[in-house]
Amino acid sequence: DAKTTQPTSMDCAEGRAANLPCNHSTISGNEYVYWYRQIHSQGPQYIIHGLKNNETNEMASLIITEDRKSSTLILPHATLRDTAVYYCIVRTFSSGGSYIPTFGRGTSLIVHP
Amino acid sequence: GAVVSQHPSRVICKSGTSVKIECRSLDFQATTMFWYRQFPKQSLMLMATSNEGSKATYEQGVEKDKFLINHASLTLSTLTVTSAHPEDSSFYICSATLFSETQYFGPGTRLLVL
Repeated sequence: DAKTTQPTSMDCAEGRAANLPCNHSTISGNEYVYWYRQIHSQGPQYIIHGLKNNETNEMASLIITEDRKSSTLILPHATLRDTAVYYCIVRTFSSGGSYIPTFGRGTSLIVHP
Repeated sequence: GAVVSQHPSRVICKSGTSVKIECRSLDFQATTMFWYRQFPKQSLMLMATSNEGSKATYEQGVEKDKFLINHASLTLSTLTVTSAHPEDSSFYICSATLFSETQYFGPGTRLLVL
């Protein structure tokens, strides 16, 4: 799996959009970009994933650059409950295959009033 | 998303005893389950990969005789910490996938060994 680089920490005002970047310059053509977040003392929560098209769900939007070397997770209206560590992971999606999921240090997002 | 549960959520045990942690996928069949360990202010560290009906694959540095993993069904995997010591105190998290699709995580088990 390709490695990812994320800023160590970010902060955002409540109600504003939080834009979390991730660099994955060594990503290969069949690797997906996944985002998870971990609120203190809880297991990671799946947020969103994508291959090359932008994706949106009820939690967030994922913008992937055309060259796929970076992506941005967007929380459109951050709330205090969005304070968490956000992990960007790239991995192969192969039915019946196996992979080794690797978590980096992620970005600690603090949403303040 | 899919639901993965863990039991117990927290456990305190004496040094030298064994502790079993259960991981269940509640609404899907998990062909693969993963076990992680997380120390304070650190990221998740993969301990082992468990495929239903076969032996677990352990990451380098993880003692397979100390951390026994059983994945006897498509909805249940167990991690047994044998002869626990204070340095085994940690946050243990499992995750489950169906045919390498999206990984869903359990809420974690906090283990404290006295």
